[in-house]
Amino acid sequence: QSVLTQPPSVSGAPGQRVTISCTGSSSNIGAGYDVHWYQQLPGTAPKLLISESTNRPSGVPDRFSGSKSGTSASLAITGLQAEDEADYYCQSYDSGLSAYVFGTGTKVTVL
Amino acid sequence: QLQLQESGPGLVKPSETLSLTCTVSGDSMSSSSYFWGWIRQPPGEGLEYIGSIYYSGSTFYNSSLKSRVTISIATSKNQFSLKLSSVTAADTAVYYCARHSGSSSGNRWFDPWGQGTLVTVSS
Repeated sequence: QSVLTQPPSVSGAPGQRVTISCTGSSSNIGAGYDVHWYQQLPGTAPKLLISESTNRPSGVPDRFSGSKSGTSASLAITGLQAEDEADYYCQSYDSGLSAYVFGTGTKVTVL
Repeated sequence: QLQLQESGPGLVKPSETLSLTCTVSGDSMSSSSYFWGWIRQPPGEGLEYIGSIYYSGSTFYNSSLKSRVTISIATSKNQFSLKLSSVTAADTAVYYCARHSGSSSGNRWFDPWGQGTLVTVSS
């Protein structure tokens, strides 16, 4: 059972803005550990989308942005496109478990 | 461009040891100060961290799997390997290898990832 909780699914029409939350606790996000986000297209390996809570690697569209506050983090997708339909995972470090942990995952559906 | 590729048996019998190798191309592991990690994903489920190894050989394991996991590295071959002992059906998953980057132990991310390999535990 993951210590980082995400909504199972979010959806939006093309062009809309959607946000995905990642809720942790005082032993992970709240302890100051960064949050990283991954996009997993159907049948493929996860791909890094956001590192260190807010940094976009080269090649990632600026439609994707990350933020962190307190014990939670969020991934925002603006100008939603059909190609954004995928599973999204957050990841951080948990000092209580002494392990890198992933969120439960969120499926984004483009209506 | 850095690329990673997993290899190993796709079927392992219960109670036996799962063995996988990740081959890195596009950079020399011995000249790069990175960790290299393993992550798995059971069919239809989420991601689980298994462990990582530094280019020098230092390891870090998920405490929930630590008693069964061994990760080793062969920088001369640009490879690192995973062994998971006493497997059960619950270990059936797609296993990914990835470079584990970051400036400090609590702030590391995985990039890039290999394509993954499905390992099924069944008699």
